[in-house]
This record gives sequence, structure tokens and C-alpha cells, in this order.
Amino acid sequence: GAVVSQHPSRVICKSGTSVKIECRSLDFQATTMFWYRQFPKQSLMLMATSNEGSKATYEQGVEKDKFLINHASLTLSTLTVTSAHPEDSSFYICSAGGQDLLTDTQYFGPGTRLTVL
Amino acid sequence: QKEVEQDPGPLSVPEGAIVSLNCTYSNSAFQYFMWYRQYSRKGPELLMYTYSSGNKEDGRFTAQVDKSSKYISLFIRDSQPSDSATYLCAMGKAAGNKLTFGGGTRVLVKP
Repeated sequence: GAVVSQHPSRVICKSGTSVKIECRSLDFQATTMFWYRQFPKQSLMLMATSNEGSKATYEQGVEKDKFLINHASLTLSTLTVTSAHPEDSSFYICSAGGQDLLTDTQYFGPGTRLTVL
Repeated sequence: QKEVEQDPGPLSVPEGAIVSLNCTYSNSAFQYFMWYRQYSRKGPELLMYTYSSGNKEDGRFTAQVDKSSKYISLFIRDSQPSDSATYLCAMGKAAGNKLTFGGGTRVLVKP
């Protein structure tokens, strides 16, 4: 149980375009989802926390107009990187937590590697 | 000073040895403690979860939490080359809240 999927697993785009990444909880209802980015050989950096049906809470220094997060249902959250630039190239990972899980923790998706040319 | 400190390694051990990992933290509000394993270019996988102080064992993995010392540990017995990965400790203050991660320890188990 507690499976989280992400799509796509890898995306390459041109500078200036927008990219949408989906995060789904497959076997539980995710009341809270989190979005992280990770640079090579570094730990996870939390970007934002989203609760179903409400606006996301962004961490300090994260541009909310650039990284649009939508959590429209209990099984789906999306991250849209708007007007992507090469410095946005990174590994983006979502995680999900839910009240119906046995443990009050987060389960991670497999990640999405974004490369902006 | 970071809220959670974790030695980055790499920690190299021979196959079959015990791997010992630990994290220290400064915020006494942390109540939930987790260990994740992350392979290169993959998302973290939950290994162990502990609420408050105590020990927990699951197969070859043992997690220990000492809240009085603000110190948590993960032990891997009979290590295998497939255990080679980065291990992340994580802590939370309340259920459903964001987690604070250590920087990760890279572990290499040599055949």
C-alpha cells in the first residue's frame, strides 16, 4: 500500500515553455501533498505544501507564480513550472500523506527529472 | 546550525557488516522520526517510522530514538551490496506536517 506515482518521469523542454508534473496517490486519499526539488548529491528541498481544496503554502524563497501547485482532488496534485529556464533543471519529487494511512508520515513518488534547454 | 545534522559520508563497509547511521537534531518539538532510503535518480523509500522514543525492528533494520539526547540511529544488519544508497533521516512535529530532513548519508556496501 501507500503508492505514489509521478508523471512524467523525465521531461526535456525549451527555455520559456511551461511544464506540468502530476503526482497521484494510487491506493489512499492524500489530504496533504508536498513538492520537493533535489539537486545532484544534495538533500531534498521542500518547495511547498498543498492541502486538498486549498491554496498551497510555499517555503521562503520559492516563487509561487513560477511554481504553480494545484491539489484539486484527494488523489492528484500538479506542479506547473511556468516559463522554465535552465536554472529550473532539477529533480522534482512529490510526497503524500493521508489520514487513512497507518503511519502519519509521507510516501514519495519516483520523481521527475526536468531538463530545460 | 541546521535543525537536523547528518554525516554525509560516504560510509563504506564490507558485505555482511553492520551499517550504523545516525542523526542529531536540535528541536525538541520533533515527535515523529523516519528513515528513508534513496537510490540514485529515484524517489526516497520509507524504511522505518518511529513515534517518540524507543526502538523498532523490521527485518534487518533497527531504528532507535533517544529524545533526551536528541539522537536517532538506524542499524542495518548483514548488509548487502543492494543496500548501497543514500539514507535520509527525517523528523516531524505533528502528523501531516512537513518533515525536516537530514542531508543524507551515502552508504557503499562492497562485495
